Amino acid sequence: DADVTQTPRNRITKTGKRIMLECSQTKGHDRMYWYRQDPGLGLRLIYYSFDVKDINKGEISDGYSVSRQAQAKFSLSLESAIPNQTALYFCATSDPTRESGQHFGDGTRLSIL
Amino acid sequence: LAKTTQPISMDSYEGQEVNITCSHNNIATNDYITWYQQFPSQGPRFIIQGYKTKVTNEVASLFIPADRKSSTLSLPRVSLSDTAVYYCLVGDWSNDYKLSFGAGTTVTVRA
Repeated sequence: DADVTQTPRNRITKTGKRIMLECSQTKGHDRMYWYRQDPGLGLRLIYYSFDVKDINKGEISDGYSVSRQAQAKFSLSLESAIPNQTALYFCATSDPTRESGQHFGDGTRLSIL
Repeated sequence: LAKTTQPISMDSYEGQEVNITCSHNNIATNDYITWYQQFPSQGPRFIIQGYKTKVTNEVASLFIPADRKSSTLSLPRVSLSDTAVYYCLVGDWSNDYKLSFGAGTTVTVRA
């Protein structure tokens, strides 16, 4: 089983719809992240969380919200989706005390028409 | 944060060694250098991390000169499956939320 699982893997929806992307992890890490990747570009940080009560905005948080339901679960919501939010979304976890970097899920490909 | 510069793309052939150099002139004392690999439709995967001199694991080697202003990721005897985007990140891993994935280097391995 994957250590970091994202659902759904693909989603097509319409402008104005509310969308939730979910992430769960079995690594036992406290830190979790949501990134966005656009074609040909690197990853940009949307939100990050150090524990259930600690949530922080990243570089591009406008238009997004998050919820840390438990240590293992971190969801990303688009309250009213717009076409320029079409992208590949990644969830990641980390334990900064270990030399293993961030652990990523396989992403959610989101298309907003 | 230390800014990194790496080539946009590199081509190679199976069996060759691939060396990707990353420049990070303003690296800080507490910063580590970390490389990730990303295949299409997958999330980035941690490859190797180092602070100085040389680090080697089963996948790659990382060479860091004494001044630490650059680093080189070395992939020995590449195969077609090594075709991917490689990212160089520099930063203090206790503050890993501040790290930035740039555009990376697209390595294409040909038969």
